Amino acid sequence: AQSVTQLDSQVPVFEEAPVELRCNYSSSVSVYLFWYVQYPNQGLQLLLKYLSGSTLVKGINGFEAEFNKSQTSFHLRKPSVHISDTAEYFCAVSDQRGFKTIFGAGTRLFVKA
Amino acid sequence: GAVVSQHPSRVICKSGTSVKIECRSLDFQATTMFWYRQFPKKSLMLMATSNEGSKATYEQGVEKDKFLINHASLTLSTLTVTSAHPEDSSFYICSARPGQGILTSSGNTIYFGEGSWLTVV
Repeated sequence: AQSVTQLDSQVPVFEEAPVELRCNYSSSVSVYLFWYVQYPNQGLQLLLKYLSGSTLVKGINGFEAEFNKSQTSFHLRKPSVHISDTAEYFCAVSDQRGFKTIFGAGTRLFVKA
Repeated sequence: GAVVSQHPSRVICKSGTSVKIECRSLDFQATTMFWYRQFPKKSLMLMATSNEGSKATYEQGVEKDKFLINHASLTLSTLTVTSAHPEDSSFYICSARPGQGILTSSGNTIYFGEGSWLTVV
C-alpha cells in the first residue's frame, strides 16, 4: 500500500517569491508520482508527473519537482509565484501496475500581493 | 490530450432519491476507471476501482449498496448514489486509465474528469 504526506496544510507567500511545497511518500513497490492543482470549485489539473528517468521534472505554469528516492520525497517548487497560483495543490502516488492513485491531504498555497 | 467527461457537473436531489453520475472517456478506451469523493476543503478519497465488465472493487469503509458503480463499456462508468442523504453531498471525481497499448506516449497517465457536485436537500 502507498501513502502520501504533505507536510504543510497552508503555505502563504508573497508574490514573486519562491515557494516549495513538500511531499513525502511511502510504498513497498515502485510508484509514479504526481502533482495536481485544484482551483476553487474546479476539478483537478495535472501539473507534472514523475514516471522514470531524470529526477527533475518540469511541469506547466513554471512548476518543477524533484524526485528523491532516498528521502522518498517529491517536493514541488516554483522560483517566482503569481497571485494566480493561489490554489490547492495535491501530491499523489500510484503503483505502476493498477494505477490506483492515492492523494495527500493537500496544501493550500496562498499568494499575497 | 485525452479527455474525460463527467455529467452532470452539478446536481441537486431530494433526500431519499437516487442520482447517477456518468464518467466518459471521450477519445480513448478505459479499461479501468476510479471514483473519488472530496469533502469541502479536504483531499480526494478513493471510493472504488471500476474495471470494465467486472464488479467494482471498493475501498474499506465505502458502502457498496449505497454507491453503485457500473462499468458497462470501455468508455463509460457510472456512479449511482442510492437513497441519498444530505451527508452524501460532496464533490465526486472520476479518473480513467487508458487500456494497454493505448496512448502509451502519454506515459501511463490517468486522466481526471472535471468532477460532479452533488447536493442533497
